[in-house]
Amino acid sequence: DVKVTQSSRYLVKRTGEKVFLECVQDMDHENMFWYRQDPGLGLRLIYFSYDVKMKEKGDIPEGYSVSREKKERFSLILESASTNQTSMYLCASRPWSGTDLDEQYFGPGTRLTVT
Amino acid sequence: AQTVTQSQPEMSVQEAETVTLSCTYDTSESDYYLFWYKQPPSRQMILVIRQEAYKQQNATENRFSVNFQKAAKSFSLKISDSQLGDAAMYFCAYRSRGGSEKLVFGKGTKLTVNP
Repeated sequence: DVKVTQSSRYLVKRTGEKVFLECVQDMDHENMFWYRQDPGLGLRLIYFSYDVKMKEKGDIPEGYSVSREKKERFSLILESASTNQTSMYLCASRPWSGTDLDEQYFGPGTRLTVT
Repeated sequence: AQTVTQSQPEMSVQEAETVTLSCTYDTSESDYYLFWYKQPPSRQMILVIRQEAYKQQNATENRFSVNFQKAAKSFSLKISDSQLGDAAMYFCAYRSRGGSEKLVFGKGTKLTVNP
């Protein structure tokens, strides 16, 4: 089974702190994604990566950056956390198999609270 | 840009009954993919069912089936013989065919299953 893990289930940080959210997948997937999930807004794509050191902006990249130094690991960085970044963050991965039907596999999520 | 609309923020069903969750989407593309994902409380999001737009036959997975109406841009999910374990948030998602990694999600429908 594909396993996508996230470093923390719950995280509390202070305004202005630099925050790292880590995601690791164990299935050698090329594509990795970071989403933000808010009630009533669904999932919104922050960034995705299709290869090591490659990244693409999603719909809401402002205030975030990402890092992918190794294929299995994709990090989301909040350079200076703000209260409006309090949210659930979901990581996902997907193989580059050439089949558009391939699903994305999701991690358990990190609930971040910025105070 | 594509959009996905789930008009029912919440739905409820009696155990063993059938429920249908609605999803409509807006696109100018002729070929694409549609997905339903399930997110149980405090658990990881998983794929329920997927449909290729160029296939007229509706997809089915055990108790889950879809009613895909391409002309109407509608993609509803029917859950038969509802079980307590079906209680979850359900998200409808759209992906373009041909290279796009981006999934566009609806805002979700919270399904409650009453014993």
